[in-house]
Amino acid sequence: DTGVSQNPRHKITKRGQNVTFRCDPISEHNRLYWYRQTLGQGPEFLTYFQNEAQLEKSRLLSDRFSAERPKGSFSTLEIQRTEQGDSAMYLCASGSTETQYFGPGTRLLVL
Amino acid sequence: KNEVEQSPQNLTAQEGEFITINCSYSVGISALHWLQQHPGGGIVSLFMLSSGKKKHGRLIATINIQEKHSSLHITASHPRDSAVYICAAGNTGNQFYFGTGTSLTVIP
Repeated sequence: DTGVSQNPRHKITKRGQNVTFRCDPISEHNRLYWYRQTLGQGPEFLTYFQNEAQLEKSRLLSDRFSAERPKGSFSTLEIQRTEQGDSAMYLCASGSTETQYFGPGTRLLVL
Repeated sequence: KNEVEQSPQNLTAQEGEFITINCSYSVGISALHWLQQHPGGGIVSLFMLSSGKKKHGRLIATINIQEKHSSLHITASHPRDSAVYICAAGNTGNQFYFGTGTSLTVIP
């Protein structure tokens, strides 16, 4: 499978715990995007990387959120001290603003 | 006001009906995307438009750049078309703005 993959697909955690999600983009894509989608809403932009450089961050990305793409390939999104409001689907996409390929998402539930 | 507005939010149709979903955007765009999301599933890109009209099978997407409006049409709708359809605008600043989606249910 040469599409975008995300792990884990589901995560249940207790409030206050830290979680980390991983995204593996399509190998030849140098752009990688993270989005968050809550029930009944469209995805919201969180952050964007070109290669290993994080070029843009949404104001939605509080200081509890951090994203990395250390070697310009896979990316991780970490949420520290999770809150119930963090419960959402976290989507990763690679490509460009002209063509984006989405991963299956990681569904987070914070209890 | 959201940068991308979709209508209707929910749509129920009988199998075989012609369906139209509308999208209006307020940002300058480099491309307008129509996406499909099945319950619990990932997002699939249906169309990417920067002008005119595109057709793929029973799906047709149009865009009017001057009016900042796009439509997605489904001809001869089928229950397997039931999904959430999302309009997304990609701008020259590398941001992606999504509509809230239109939930379509096609009844046999």
